[in-house]
Amino acid sequence: GAGVSQSPRYKVAKRGQDVALRCDPISGHVSLFWYQQALGQGPEFLTYFQNEAQLDKSGLPSDRFFAERPEGSVSTLKIQRTQQEDSAVYLCASSLVGGGSNQPQHFGDGTRLSIL
Amino acid sequence: AQSVAQPEDQVNVAEGNPLTVKCTYSVSGNPYLFWYVQYPNRGLQFLLKYITGDNLVKGSYGFEAEFNKSQTSFHLKKPSALVSDSALYFCAVKDFNKFYFGSGTKLNVKP
Repeated sequence: GAGVSQSPRYKVAKRGQDVALRCDPISGHVSLFWYQQALGQGPEFLTYFQNEAQLDKSGLPSDRFFAERPEGSVSTLKIQRTQQEDSAVYLCASSLVGGGSNQPQHFGDGTRLSIL
Repeated sequence: AQSVAQPEDQVNVAEGNPLTVKCTYSVSGNPYLFWYVQYPNRGLQFLLKYITGDNLVKGSYGFEAEFNKSQTSFHLKKPSALVSDSALYFCAVKDFNKFYFGSGTKLNVKP
């Protein structure tokens, strides 16, 4: 079966441009998560969806970051007016059930974003 | 606040020798602890988890982890390392909908 799919795998943008990163979770997975992984660091939580509802966005670093999952499947993370500090790998993960369970999250391969 | 610490940036071990990757945690309440592995340019792959019960947890690819409540540790172990085990390993604690990851330990297994 297909795993979590992220696109594009690599994205280069100039400072000030807007970018959109896509995540296609495992079919039927209720929960979807976005993480930011800086070079040499562990992933850091950005936001969490249960179906189409964004239940936690406490990790989004600024109001330039916006995520949506309008139909409860595919999600898009949008970054407006990108800055160099936004350069990182953005990881998407999904899990079968709701966030309070002890189920592991299944990760995509990430999008490596480089801001010039 | 929930957190995990991985005190070693890098662990070097010879193929065939046992390996240990260390993790300590700080949580309020009962911990849900996980180990993930990351290969270059790839996402994280689940290895094993501790929820409750037996302190020795067995996972994928021959890995196991020992939960020690008194020492607040959850060290990853394998009896005999393979060169293909070389990768970045992350310990994580789950708090409802969030994972809190350690900074990672790079495991180098030399032939």
